[in-house]
Amino acid sequence: KQEVTQIPAALSVPEGENLVLNCSFTDSAIYNLQWFRQDPGKGLTSLLLIQSSQREQTSGRLNASLDKSSGRSTLYIAASQPGDSATYLCAVQQETSGSRLTFGEGTQLTVNP
Amino acid sequence: NAGVTQTPKFRVLKTGQSMTLLCAQDMNHEYMYWYRQDPGMGLRLIHYSVGEGTTAKGEVPDGYNVSRLKKQNFLLGLESAAPSQTSVYFCASSYFYSTEAFFGQGTRLTVV
Repeated sequence: KQEVTQIPAALSVPEGENLVLNCSFTDSAIYNLQWFRQDPGKGLTSLLLIQSSQREQTSGRLNASLDKSSGRSTLYIAASQPGDSATYLCAVQQETSGSRLTFGEGTQLTVNP
Repeated sequence: NAGVTQTPKFRVLKTGQSMTLLCAQDMNHEYMYWYRQDPGMGLRLIHYSVGEGTTAKGEVPDGYNVSRLKKQNFLLGLESAAPSQTSVYFCASSYFYSTEAFFGQGTRLTVV
């Protein structure tokens, strides 16, 4: 059974700091890995999608990497801002089990002004 | 551009009552999913559909039924609500199984 782990569970940083969020998964038979952002009481917003054949994706201040063979992904946020405060979730889409997304429990990020 | 819309946003049910959650997407996506999100458990897949007229069980399907009569709509039904079904429910859709998934804003359901 696929398991997705996110470390740390919570992170508090001062504004302007660069930071890295980690995601690991146990089964490398995936189609892709997706990073989401969730604000309190809201839905999930897709940030980046990395296909299994790709190594990284970038969007603005966000950069996500994928090492499929080792079962790891990182989300790098440059020059963090208070508006980045949210919970960040990673999810892997499996080649089996109906192509479901399996989620980690998230990293709760607080960026302090 | 509405994306994925869930109705209702909040609901309180008494134990044993029934209800239907509606998910509508306007992106012509083939795949649709229902997840529930619980503290300490993350998001778990309830049921999913790979196209109009199809449904399949996910990780936690017991106590729920679904239907996909139209491509743009995916309904989640609770026939006899239980307190264990208190949760936040999210609908998602994607064009294909390996493409980006888009989520609705969620339905917060409380069963008392």
